[in-house]
Amino acid sequence: NAGVMQNPRHLVRRRGQEARLRCSPMKGHSHVYWYRQLPEEGLKFMVYLQKENIIDESGMPKERFSAEFPKEGPSILRIQQVVRGDSAAYFCASSPPDLGPSEQYFGPGTRLTVT
Amino acid sequence: DAKTTQPPSMDCAEGRAANLPCNHSTISGNEYVYWYRQIHSQGPQYIIHGLKNNETNEMASLIITEDRKSSTLILPHATLRDTAVYYCIVQTSGGYNKLIFGAGTRLAVHP
Repeated sequence: NAGVMQNPRHLVRRRGQEARLRCSPMKGHSHVYWYRQLPEEGLKFMVYLQKENIIDESGMPKERFSAEFPKEGPSILRIQQVVRGDSAAYFCASSPPDLGPSEQYFGPGTRLTVT
Repeated sequence: DAKTTQPPSMDCAEGRAANLPCNHSTISGNEYVYWYRQIHSQGPQYIIHGLKNNETNEMASLIITEDRKSSTLILPHATLRDTAVYYCIVQTSGGYNKLIFGAGTRLAVHP
């Protein structure tokens, strides 16, 4: 069973460009979470999605950031008009559709560098 | 804000048990204690979780005090590859499992 996959693993963008980060959850998982880790800082929750629905986006910056998890295909985290402060590691995690306690499985992350 | 308190760093000799403490004095009855770790800059890795009973799996043991206000993660025979930041997180059960990470404990295992 393949783990959570993220691509690209490294992404370099110039200021003002768009960044698209992809996450394929583990097979059978319908919950996807995005977290951001700024350099030398801790992990911060950004958004939680289920198929075709955003459940909680309380950690998302108000502007330029958006996320989706379509019926088919990977979850996408989109950052428009990137700035240097967006440089960070972005981790995606998935969990199964259980109502009980369940762990999250993390991908290897995408390291975004804005030049 | 994280609901847990952990020491910022700990050392452990290779082959010895590593005991990582966590305080969660405001934990509520329906909240579980989860442990994750992050090795270098990799994605966090789930270790173990529990509600009120002690738990053990192939990676570690989790000891939760009777009043549930604190817990200890035990790595029975630490190796160099266990060097990582360890996070203790409390969260409710149910379909929504947003993780709130604190600063964690940076465990250094040395030869």
